[in-house]
Amino acid sequence: EPEVTQTPSHQVTQMGQEVILRCVPISNHLYFYWYRQILGQKVEFLVSFYNNEISEKSEIFDDQFSVERPDGSNFTLKIRSTKLEDSAMYFCAGGWGSSYEQYFGPGTRLTVT
Amino acid sequence: AQSVTQLGSHVSVSEGALVLLRCNYSSSVPPYLFWYVQYPNQGLQLLLKYTSAATLVKGINGFEAEFKKSETSFHLTKPSAHMSDAAEYFCAVSPPKAAGNKLTFGGGTRVLVKP
Repeated sequence: EPEVTQTPSHQVTQMGQEVILRCVPISNHLYFYWYRQILGQKVEFLVSFYNNEISEKSEIFDDQFSVERPDGSNFTLKIRSTKLEDSAMYFCAGGWGSSYEQYFGPGTRLTVT
Repeated sequence: AQSVTQLGSHVSVSEGALVLLRCNYSSSVPPYLFWYVQYPNQGLQLLLKYTSAATLVKGINGFEAEFKKSETSFHLTKPSAHMSDAAEYFCAVSPPKAAGNKLTFGGGTRVLVKP
């Protein structure tokens, strides 16, 4: 059964550094998403992506964040200058749209020191 | 704006007992509703979904949920808990009939199953 994959599983970075989190969605998905979960808090929506552009973003998704689908398979989340409060589990998800559910990857745990 | 409330951040059940996880939503129109499960060190796996068809929805692993519009609820049940059901469970909503919309999650309920 196809799965969403994410790399790396754990990323440790210093404050102010750039990080890129990578996701490979299921091949025929049309909609792509990033969510994050700060330890002990709710899973929060960051951004959705469709037809090679952002379709919706949350207040969290400020100018420090960007997404890209550079080659039709990978879907990346970039944080330009990480802050301590960016430490969280980041989940990638995808879906076809017509059936409305989203399929999640295993997550990348980002630790900013 | 939509929101989800899960009553009880932790639930402890005995093996073989009923599992009942509560989810209430707030939305201007009846939303689409989902239950996801997260096993340790894994991602979110879809258990079941309600998308305006039958109000009683059956999912994987023996779970089911009932959409009750009058109570704005979508509680998750399983008649007989198994040790493998120990996990965290998330209720989520999205706007109806709108492909590609974001999910709004509840705070999650961690289930402990006692032998």
